[in-house]
Amino acid sequence: QKEVEQNSGPLSVPEGAIASLNCTYSDRGSQSFFWYRQYSGKSPELIMFIYSNGDKEDGRFTAQLNKASQYVSLLIRDSQPSDSATYLCAVSGGRNNNDMRFGAGTRLTVKP
Amino acid sequence: NAGVMQNPRHLVRRRGQEARLRCSPMKGHSHVYWYRQLPEEGLKFMVYLQKENIIDESGMPKERFSAEFPKEGPSILRIQQVVRGDSAAYFCASSQTGGANSPLHFGNGTRLTVT
Repeated sequence: QKEVEQNSGPLSVPEGAIASLNCTYSDRGSQSFFWYRQYSGKSPELIMFIYSNGDKEDGRFTAQLNKASQYVSLLIRDSQPSDSATYLCAVSGGRNNNDMRFGAGTRLTVKP
Repeated sequence: NAGVMQNPRHLVRRRGQEARLRCSPMKGHSHVYWYRQLPEEGLKFMVYLQKENIIDESGMPKERFSAEFPKEGPSILRIQQVVRGDSAAYFCASSQTGGANSPLHFGNGTRLTVT
């Protein structure tokens, strides 16, 4: 079992729709959860982080965390073509307290 | 530019040569992480360093790979006797405090090609 799992996609949504990206993790002791966006050929950039159960909103982005289900998601409202990228879920704490573990990423395409 | 600086951006090496990748963390950051990314794959943790100390190298291959973060100067990831399978993008990231709650800030990466 991978430590951090994501649906590789591609996920395709029309412009203006809500994009929903999902992630599960195996280490129940994980403490912190991050979403990074990576454009093709570029470096990952931090979008959001969440530490507590529930929702956290920042502009068009909402991160959702459910520790009991070991599940974290990212919602992108009013999706734009510029949101087209690979979204990486990352988890830290738990057994691997010293480092951040990444999922393989979900490729999102927003069609005009 | 106060961001994480990596160089070179692209590096081509023949099999058997050595590759040296450099990373200067963001100003004020003393925690450095190295990750490797293969095409269409996620980031794989390699090593976590603080100044003059290796904190966690559990993701580092046992042979040919080494990393350092000296008191002065950038962090260096060294790959000796490179093989074609070492071809990948190598990303360095830094954080201010380390630990589980500390977001990582990434450099632009070094794309290593082994011919």
